[in-house]
Amino acid sequence: GAGVSQSPSNKVTEKGKDVELRCDPISGHTALYWYRQSLGQGLEFLIYFQGNSAPDKSGLPSDRFSAERTGGSVSTLTIQRTQQEDSAVYLCASSQGGVASYEQYFGPGTRLTVT
Amino acid sequence: AQKVTQAQTEISVVEKEDVTLDCVYETRDTTYYLFWYKQPPSGELVFLIRRNSFDEQNEISGRYSWNFQKSTSSFNFTITASQVVDSAVYFCALIHLSGSRLTFGEGTQLTVNP
Repeated sequence: GAGVSQSPSNKVTEKGKDVELRCDPISGHTALYWYRQSLGQGLEFLIYFQGNSAPDKSGLPSDRFSAERTGGSVSTLTIQRTQQEDSAVYLCASSQGGVASYEQYFGPGTRLTVT
Repeated sequence: AQKVTQAQTEISVVEKEDVTLDCVYETRDTTYYLFWYKQPPSGELVFLIRRNSFDEQNEISGRYSWNFQKSTSSFNFTITASQVVDSAVYFCALIHLSGSRLTFGEGTQLTVNP
């Protein structure tokens, strides 16, 4: 079946602009995660959605970052007033449920470059 | 707090050599899960294995094997008879039972030369 998809695959934006990154999880997966991968910081957790529960936003680095998940499926990560330090690969993952034992399946990522 | 350490930043081997990637973790939880992921040059993280903290049996899958030792908090990954296609960054990760986030190690860049 189809895996996790993300769009766009690459995004170049000017400092100060807002960007939206999209994630389509695997069909039927109720849990959705966003991570960020950057040089020097490795893979960092950003936010987690599980069903209708309140999202775990504890990994978001600043209030410029926000995310939504509509209809329990597609998610959008928004970064406002982008800064150069936001340049990274943003990875989305989904899993069958919110139980830790379920493996998380990752999408190909969106490479964000802030100039 | 949880922490995963992959002390080997880069490893280079010649094809057909065996190679072991080290992973050491720290957690206060008694129930947790450990994972290995592969990230080839294409960039997508590929799930390899999941192991829970109560199952210390070693696992073998083809040329891959994993050695989980709770006493030393290690979950090492061995590739036997390495191939060029094994070249990738490998990540070890941990999640505790009630957790939602994976804590990743820094990754080990494996290069297999022909």
